[in-house]
Amino acid sequence: AQSVAQPEDQVNVAEGNPLTVKCTYSVSGNPYLFWYVQYPNRGLQFLLKYITGDNLVKGSYGFEAEFNKSQTSFHLKKPSALVSDSALYFCAVRGPFSGGYNKLIFGAGTRLAVHP
Amino acid sequence: EAQVTQNPRYLITVTGKKLTVTCSQNMNHEYMSWYRQDPGLGLRQIYYSMNVEVTDKGDVPEGYKVSRKEKRNFPLILESPSPNQTSLYFCASRDSGAAHGYTFGSGTRLTVV
Repeated sequence: AQSVAQPEDQVNVAEGNPLTVKCTYSVSGNPYLFWYVQYPNRGLQFLLKYITGDNLVKGSYGFEAEFNKSQTSFHLKKPSALVSDSALYFCAVRGPFSGGYNKLIFGAGTRLAVHP
Repeated sequence: EAQVTQNPRYLITVTGKKLTVTCSQNMNHEYMSWYRQDPGLGLRQIYYSMNVEVTDKGDVPEGYKVSRKEKRNFPLILESPSPNQTSLYFCASRDSGAAHGYTFGSGTRLTVV
């Protein structure tokens, strides 16, 4: 079955330090990869996506993500964390693969807590 | 402003009382979808629609109905809500291009007592 794993329920980081939120996936074929962020009482906001090309993609709010095909990973990174980055982060994949074209398959989410 | 609008934002209802959550998008998107978000499970797709009058089940369709009579609207109907449908619901839409992600609404928090 197609799946997305976010192995950490919560990531704690001090403000100003680099952060990484991990994501691995298990799907057939070459999926499209996405990161979304959810702030309290808000909907999901798009951060970035990988479709093809350069393995390092840059997105909103200074975030970037590194695609690693051999490890089937798509980790979210930021060089210097801000307290305002504290939120719930979701990794997601979409087709082309069987059963995946018409939906996003989400990981369970990782709560990022940035401490002053 | 390009957006997906859901209503209501919060809803408390009783078991068995039919309800509808509305969703509207102003981006002329062909694809629309409903997801529910539960702690530890992420978001799971309930139903999706590829265009007007074309809908199909997602991963967790039991207890839900949808309709797509107009391109911009995609309401979610719970004919007889039960407590296990207490959840946070999101409507989303996307363009038909192969690599597009979804734009999400602000969510509807539903409590069924």
